[in-house]
Amino acid sequence: KQEVTQIPAALSVPEGENLVLNCSFTDSAIYNLQWFRQDPGKGLTSLLLIQSSQREQTSGRLNASLDKSSGRSTLYIAASQPGDSATYLCAVKTGANNLFFGTGTRLTVIP
Amino acid sequence: NAGVMQNPRHLVRRRGQEARLRCSPMKGHSHVYWYRQLPEEGLKFMVYLQKENIIDESGMPKERFSAEFPKEGPSILRIQQVVRGDSAAYFCASSPTIGGMNTEAFFGQGTRLTVV
Repeated sequence: KQEVTQIPAALSVPEGENLVLNCSFTDSAIYNLQWFRQDPGKGLTSLLLIQSSQREQTSGRLNASLDKSSGRSTLYIAASQPGDSATYLCAVKTGANNLFFGTGTRLTVIP
Repeated sequence: NAGVMQNPRHLVRRRGQEARLRCSPMKGHSHVYWYRQLPEEGLKFMVYLQKENIIDESGMPKERFSAEFPKEGPSILRIQQVVRGDSAAYFCASSPTIGGMNTEAFFGQGTRLTVV
């Protein structure tokens, strides 16, 4: 059964720092991996989608990498801002067309 | 193109009542998924539906929970005889009809169910 782990569970950084969030998954037979952002009491906003054949995707200050064989993905956030404070979730899509989610990393960017 | 629409946003039910949660997928999407997020926990898959068909309900509790996605109208997640442990945020996601397994999932704002 697919299990997705995110480390760290919480992270606090001063504004302007670059940071890396980690996601690992146990079964490398995935179709794609998505990174989401969730603000308190809100829904999920899709940030980046990486297909299983891709190594990375970039959107603005965000860069996500995927190493499917080792079951790892990272989300790199450059020049962090207070508005980046949220919970970041990674999810992998399996052959059953389901998304398996990690429990998230709660990011706080201190002004 | 409106996003995934869920209603109501907040729902309060007394123990033993029924809860009905609605989800309208994005235009052009015929795949709908329901997830549950318990407080301080991750999102857990419940059920995957296509129009008029349940494809995978392996995450649904065997009793009291049911889901449908009729030919016309929104997808409905129905919880009968709610208990306090059903209190959670329920999220719906949809993905495009075309594109198969590589498509992106889009989520609604969720329905927060509180059982009192």
